[in-house]
Order: sequence, then structure tokens, then C-alpha cells
Amino acid sequence: ETGVTQSPTHLIKTRGQQVTLRCSSQSGHNTVSWYQQALGQGPQFIFQYYREEENGRGNFPPRFSGLQFPNYSSELNVNALELDDSALYLCASSLGTPLNTEAFFGQGTRLTVV
Amino acid sequence: DQQVKQNSPSLSVQEGRISILNCDYTNSMFDYFLWYKKYPAEGPTFLISISSIKDKNEDGRFTVFLNKSAKHLSLHIVPSQPGDSAVYFCAASGSTLGRLYFGRGTQLTVWP
Repeated sequence: ETGVTQSPTHLIKTRGQQVTLRCSSQSGHNTVSWYQQALGQGPQFIFQYYREEENGRGNFPPRFSGLQFPNYSSELNVNALELDDSALYLCASSLGTPLNTEAFFGQGTRLTVV
Repeated sequence: DQQVKQNSPSLSVQEGRISILNCDYTNSMFDYFLWYKKYPAEGPTFLISISSIKDKNEDGRFTVFLNKSAKHLSLHIVPSQPGDSAVYFCAASGSTLGRLYFGRGTQLTVWP
């Protein structure tokens, strides 16, 4: 039990649609990162938020966007969904930045784009 | 460009024996390394970490070794147990990088 919860656990969307994934961080953790894990791959960094500001971004297009709220919850929004967006989306929370500390992951949201 | 590499997609070990999982990295800016374990339908769970100022860190049955000159780390599990069967991810970060870089994972199977 990591104290990080994500919703929903599974989701099916149609190509072109928009999706919002949610994450509730571990209490007191002010940094949240989102990762995309495609089948057979390791998690790939999408972006990180620290104290509600974006604090780093991986190689993902602008249609991937996020928000972090004062209560440490966060959202990942993906617009204009493509088939290749089908993956497991993981959020991870940690205390402080830079990230030289353990990140605690949620169970993930499995997104399928058809 | 894969900066963290786990070249063995799978490893099969008998219960009670040692499991050795390997990881290589290319970025000399990495100064903190972590191992995560992942069961199906769950998120990665932190297992053990090591800072670049050390060459070994132990936690119970799990030991991580770091060879900075070779840019190589390994996770030793001894004795291996069937409950250790999972995908193991090696990850790295750096104080100026602020994110985790993951390998592709190694599926460990421990058989009785």
C-alpha cells in the first residue's frame, strides 16, 4: 500500500477523444510525476509537477497536459487520443525535488484507445 | 535513446538459489539508482536504492551493487522465493535531472 491512488483503473476511449486521469498523492508529498508504460517497455516520463507548477517534461507532445492541486491530487489530460496512446499510465508521488528519493507509484490506469 | 538498459528480459531461478538482475546505464549524470518490483495489475513498488557515493546497499535478502566505472549495477536476491516472481525495473535519476529513467524490466520467475 503506497498511499497513491489512481482513477479509473481501466478506461476505453475512441481515437480523437479526450481523457482525464486522476491521481491522489501520498499525504505530504509535494511532487507528482506521470509516466506512460507501453506494453513490454519500462515507464517513460511524461512530466512532473512540484507545488502546482510543471517542473520538467519528457518527450511527449503538448496534447499531454497536467494539473496539480493544493490538496496534492493531480490530473493528466490527453487530447486528440491516438491508438499509440494505449498504455498503462502511472502516477508517482515523492517528497521534494530533485527526485533523489523514492517515488511511490499508484496502481496505474490502463487506457485503451480504439 | 535508452539510457538505462536491462538486457535480460527474463530470468528463471530455483527457489533458495540466488537471483542476479543486471542493469547498465549510459548517463554519467546519474547519481541515484533504484530497483522497483512490479506485479501484474499493480504499480511498481520501491524495493531498494543506492547512492553513487556507495558501492553496496543491503536490505534483508536484497543487495544492490554499483560499479560506477563500468556504469553497471546489479540486484542480488538470496535466497530467492516464489513470491519474488515479478518484473523488476532498474531506474536512475540525478540531482540535476529531476526524473526517473527506467529500463525495460526483467521478468523474474522463481520456481519451487
